[in-house]
Amino acid sequence: NAGVTQTPKFQVLKTGQSMTLQCAQDMNHNSMYWYRQDPGMGLRLIYYSASEGTTDKGEVPNGYNVSRLNKREFSLRLESAAPSQTSVYFCASSEGQGWSNQPQHFGDGTRLSIL
Amino acid sequence: AQSVTQLDSHVSVSEGTPVLLRCNYSSSYSPSLFWYVQHPNKGLQLLLKYTSAATLVKGINGFEAEFKKSETSFHLTKPSAHMSDAAEYFCVVSRGYSSASKIIFGSGTRLSIRP
Repeated sequence: NAGVTQTPKFQVLKTGQSMTLQCAQDMNHNSMYWYRQDPGMGLRLIYYSASEGTTDKGEVPNGYNVSRLNKREFSLRLESAAPSQTSVYFCASSEGQGWSNQPQHFGDGTRLSIL
Repeated sequence: AQSVTQLDSHVSVSEGTPVLLRCNYSSSYSPSLFWYVQHPNKGLQLLLKYTSAATLVKGINGFEAEFKKSETSFHLTKPSAHMSDAAEYFCVVSRGYSSASKIIFGSGTRLSIRP
């Protein structure tokens, strides 16, 4: 079972460059999420999508955009990368329509460094 | 408002001894509570969840947690630690039936197992 697949696994960017992080799930889940994880902190929600065609801001959306391309895929874009965006990014999915009582299934993360 | 506090950033136990990872929460509403485990360079994996059914929740790999409303706690326990339990553990709280944007992750507890 593939579950949630993220690409790439590692990336190094220069300040000001743009990039898109890809995420796909094969569990037919309605909801998908993007988080960032920084040392000593829990995960913080960047954006989420409760269903195909909808997206909503989370706790830390500034500097990011998202696209829910179809039910399977949810991408995260950094338009002009900044060193403060150096982090590990996780994509997740869950059943239901973005409800908080549903457990989430996570990808293995994208480790992004901005120089 | 909701919050979650993991009382120990690092716990070290000997193999074969009990594990206790402490989590306190604050929620104005009936909460949903989760424990996730994260192994190095991997995404988070659900260990167990509480959503207002039985107060003692059994999870995978021999872990369990008890919901204590009077103490606002949801501590994770395991009777006998195994080397493979070494990982980071996250306690998560959310308002029971609400938007996934209301999910709050704790800052994590790193569990080390001594041979």
